[in-house]
Amino acid sequence: SQTIHQWPATLVQPVGSPLSLECTVEGTSNPNLYWYRQAAGRGLQLLFYSVGIGQISSEVPQNLSASRPQDRQFILSSKKLLLSDSGFYLCAWSSTTLAGGAYEQYFGPGTRLTVT
Amino acid sequence: KQEVTQIPAALSVPEGENLVLNCSFTDSAIYNLQWFRQDPGKGLTSLLLIQSSQREQTSGRLNASLDKSSGRSTLYIAASQPGDSATYLCAVTNVYNNNDMRFGAGTRLTVKP
Repeated sequence: SQTIHQWPATLVQPVGSPLSLECTVEGTSNPNLYWYRQAAGRGLQLLFYSVGIGQISSEVPQNLSASRPQDRQFILSSKKLLLSDSGFYLCAWSSTTLAGGAYEQYFGPGTRLTVT
Repeated sequence: KQEVTQIPAALSVPEGENLVLNCSFTDSAIYNLQWFRQDPGKGLTSLLLIQSSQREQTSGRLNASLDKSSGRSTLYIAASQPGDSATYLCAVTNVYNNNDMRFGAGTRLTVKP
């Protein structure tokens, strides 16, 4: 069965510090991968998605970047955090084939980021 | 731009009641619609996925319907239990980009023993 991991679970960082959040998926090959942010009172927002190694699509302009160095690894980064980067960051994956679930998305446990 | 709305924002019911959560979307050009459950401080759990060509999906006490032409979906929960207490999120995927998923703000459900 498939499993998605995120770490760290919680993170407190000062403004201006760098960020690296990691997401890995087990039990599937060539998944589509996603980063979402859930800010208080604002709902879930798609930040980035990737359909393959090195392929990143950004949905909103922001202070963050994403990378996919391996098939089942997705990394969210920032060079200098802003207060507005605080939130709950969720990674998700989906299968790329109809037989595999027709783009049904499965989410990880999330990372709570507080920028102080 | 796709807008997803969920009504009500919060709902409190006694245990055992049947209930309906509503989701509406502005652009009917969707690829699929997915219902999720989120417990406080946790990730999302997929409950049901309905393809755009389907009318409904069922899983246990849950039944989700889709009326694409009117831009509506409902999640029916039968015989509610305290363990059903959570936030329920509806999300639609764009037919032009299967990776573009837009979420509603959710309905916070409380089932009282």
